[in-house]
Amino acid sequence: AQRVTQPEKLLSVFKGAPVELKCNYSYSGSPELFWYVQYSRQRLQLLLRHISRESIKGFTADLNKGETSFHLKKPFAQEEDSAMYYCALSGRASGTYKYIFGTGTRLKVLA
Amino acid sequence: EAQVTQNPRYLITVTGKKLTVTCSQNMNHEYMSWYRQDPGLGLRQIYYSMNVEVTDKGDVPEGYKVSRKEKRNFPLILESPSPNQTSLYFCASSPAGWGGGLAGETGELFFGEGSRLTVL
Repeated sequence: AQRVTQPEKLLSVFKGAPVELKCNYSYSGSPELFWYVQYSRQRLQLLLRHISRESIKGFTADLNKGETSFHLKKPFAQEEDSAMYYCALSGRASGTYKYIFGTGTRLKVLA
Repeated sequence: EAQVTQNPRYLITVTGKKLTVTCSQNMNHEYMSWYRQDPGLGLRQIYYSMNVEVTDKGDVPEGYKVSRKEKRNFPLILESPSPNQTSLYFCASSPAGWGGGLAGETGELFFGEGSRLTVL
């Protein structure tokens, strides 16, 4: 079954602490993996995509095909990182255009 | 400004009264799609369209219809809304079309602000 799993509904960390938001996926084929973020009162926006291998706002994510994971990491959390984070996959590379999202993780960075 | 625009942003209606949520994008994107967001369930894809006159079901299409007569518009139609369709709806578009899109393009989604629908 095609699925994206984000095991944590809520993750609370203190400012300056490392952050890791977990994402595991199940997909037969070659998916594109993304992290989207939704800040309070703002629309969903792309944070990272696996093919670009870039760091945005200090966040990185490495695609581990062996473990089928795409965890989002940041070494030092900031209060402005508090938001809802969604891991998602697209089957575009495999010829389908369905998008599958995880259930999301709310990150709270405490002062 | 490049964006995806949804209307209405908020709507309260009654069971069985047909409604349409409009979605328009000004980025000349080929791909458009609709999602619903429910607590504990994340975002689930309802329908998507790879280009004009080409639509397909997502994971939760029951009770919804779509049309893609123009590239920029992708309305979501609820012919006979029911209370279980009370949700937050998002429209999104992407430059990536069939065949993988242009070189360098990915399946990044650009989202609208959302439409909160309540069916009584």
